[in-house]
Amino acid sequence: NAGVTQTPKFRVLKTGQSMTLLCAQDMNHEYMYWYRQDPGMGLRLIHYSVGEGTTAKGEVPDGYNVSRLKKQNFLLGLESAAPSQTSVYFCASSYVGAYEQYFGPGTRLTVT
Amino acid sequence: AQSVTQPDIHITVSEGASLELRCNYSYGATPYLFWYVQSPGQGLQLLLKYFSGDTLVQGIKGFEAEFKRSQSSFNLRKPSVHWSDAAEYFCAVGPLTGNQFYFGTGTSLTVIP
Repeated sequence: NAGVTQTPKFRVLKTGQSMTLLCAQDMNHEYMYWYRQDPGMGLRLIHYSVGEGTTAKGEVPDGYNVSRLKKQNFLLGLESAAPSQTSVYFCASSYVGAYEQYFGPGTRLTVT
Repeated sequence: AQSVTQPDIHITVSEGASLELRCNYSYGATPYLFWYVQSPGQGLQLLLKYFSGDTLVQGIKGFEAEFKRSQSSFNLRKPSVHWSDAAEYFCAVGPLTGNQFYFGTGTSLTVIP
């Protein structure tokens, strides 16, 4: 099993550009999450999904959109990137009711 | 509002010494509590979790944590630290408000020989 994978691993964007981060899990988990990690801020939840076709806002959703068209995939989109979105992005997944999360290796995004 | 507080930003210990990392949470009911470890350049890995029952929980890599309801704390401990324990440690609480989880700001651990 690959667990949770994230694509790409690194990306540099210019302000105003758009991009999509892909998260895939092969553990048949219902729940999936997108976090951002910034120095001194820990991890903050951007959006999450409790099942295919459903998404919900987390703590810091502004400037991001998500989609969960397939159970195994959770996409995070930035429509118009801003320097404030420079961060490391982590995807995670979990079983229903188990709550411990399995994390991907992260995507380092720089917006110039 | 901050739900999880890790008061120590950085801790340095000698190899073989004991370790305690502090975590306090602010929430009315007793939530589920977690400790995760992040090695440099890696994602987070679950060390241990507390849901209910015995307030002393054992985890992987020789770690344990004690839940103290009266102090709203869930401190992580290890009797003897190894150089490979150098990493960043995060306390987390959830699920809250829907299915959200909140992480502390992390404690960076340095182990000196």
